[in-house]
Amino acid sequence: SSELTQDPAVSVALGQTVRITCQGDSLRSYYASWYQQKPGQAPVLVIYGKNNRPSGIPDRFSGSSSGNTASLTITGAQAEDEADYYCNSRDSSGNHLDWVFGGGTKLTVL
Amino acid sequence: EVQLVQSGAEVKKPGESLRISCKGSGYSFTSYWISWVRQMPGKGLEWMGRIDPSDSYTNYSPSFQGHVTISADKSISTAYLQWSSLKASDTAMYYCARMYSGLSQNWFDPWGQGTLVTVSS
Repeated sequence: SSELTQDPAVSVALGQTVRITCQGDSLRSYYASWYQQKPGQAPVLVIYGKNNRPSGIPDRFSGSSSGNTASLTITGAQAEDEADYYCNSRDSSGNHLDWVFGGGTKLTVL
Repeated sequence: EVQLVQSGAEVKKPGESLRISCKGSGYSFTSYWISWVRQMPGKGLEWMGRIDPSDSYTNYSPSFQGHVTISADKSISTAYLQWSSLKASDTAMYYCARMYSGLSQNWFDPWGQGTLVTVSS
């Protein structure tokens, strides 16, 4: 099945912009969705589709895609954005209908 | 408010069976799929499988096929994840999530609060 690759860790200075990326063949034909998970909490959807934010997600979160890479951008990172971020996409290769998560990126806000 | 509420933490012995639950409210339960996601201690998210509550059609990740069973009772808006014989390696947090899947996108929202399963002799 498909794999989605993320950088294990990324850091950003408070108030600066950070991009978290996700690479995988399935992203050439399928949008990624992105999830934020803080310690001890369930994941929360932050971006889906071309660039859609669920209600309640700040507009400093945005998504984009190019070729086999999807990106989550946080413009003006805040201390509360420190969390693990996971991408997800669909894979229909082989005989399976699968959905797969990336390995996650730990974001540190300095 | 759309929400998924999961059953409480479980402590089991190897070889025992277990079924955990996920009850949906605030939306039409049969209009969206339910997925189950595993998170082992200190690790990332793993998609296990999903069910369409309207007809109970399921599909599983190859990594979990044959090891767990996903079911649903639409009359009480509840999905289930069950094991017939637990192993120590099943120790993890398990999340359910409402799932949408379309031609070009999918999402999981909201998520349940998680059920911690501990398997130890």
